[in-house]
Amino acid sequence: DAGVIQSPRHEVTEMGQEVTLRCKPISGHNSLFWYRQTMMRGLELLIYFNNNVPIDDSGMPEDRFSAKMPNASFSTLKIQPSEPRDSAVYFCASKPAGTGDGYTFGSGTRLTVV
Amino acid sequence: RKEVEQDPGPFNVPEGATVAFNCTYSNSASQSFFWYRQDCRKEPKLLMSVYSSGNEDGRFTAQLNRASQYISLLIRDSKLSDSATYLCVVNKGGATNKLIFGTGTLLAVQP
Repeated sequence: DAGVIQSPRHEVTEMGQEVTLRCKPISGHNSLFWYRQTMMRGLELLIYFNNNVPIDDSGMPEDRFSAKMPNASFSTLKIQPSEPRDSAVYFCASKPAGTGDGYTFGSGTRLTVV
Repeated sequence: RKEVEQDPGPFNVPEGATVAFNCTYSNSASQSFFWYRQDCRKEPKLLMSVYSSGNEDGRFTAQLNRASQYISLLIRDSKLSDSATYLCVVNKGGATNKLIFGTGTLLAVQP
């Protein structure tokens, strides 16, 4: 199994530009999560999907952030326009059905907005 | 009060030492508990689930005290390779898939 695949691994962009982060969950996992990690705030849940449907987006910081999951094998997190305070590592994670299982994380996208 | 609280450390211990980390959580309805390990500039990885009766995996022992809403991780015979940040993780409550991560405890095992 290839695990959770995220792209790009690193992204450096200028303030005001649109940024799109991509995630391919593990095949057969029906839940997908987007997290953001910073030194100050640790890991914060932004949004999660069950069976491609957004369930809880209360962690999305503001309207500049949006996420989609058009099918079971792909999700995107978009920031438009980006700001320097969005700089962080963004992780995607997936899990199979059943609350007893932990998540499997992707390697993350390190975003720097200058 | 944070939903999951951990001592950030760092814990500096010599090789071979036994070290214990503690964690408290605020939601009494939480049902699933985990310890994750995160190496520097890497993703978090599941170390072990935590069960009510306590569980052991080699040198690692996890315990849960529901009455006190307290979770612990004990590492025996510490290795240099155990150096990492250990994250306490609790589900939001009830049957939700939503996991809440503590900010982690940094362990540095010294030669």
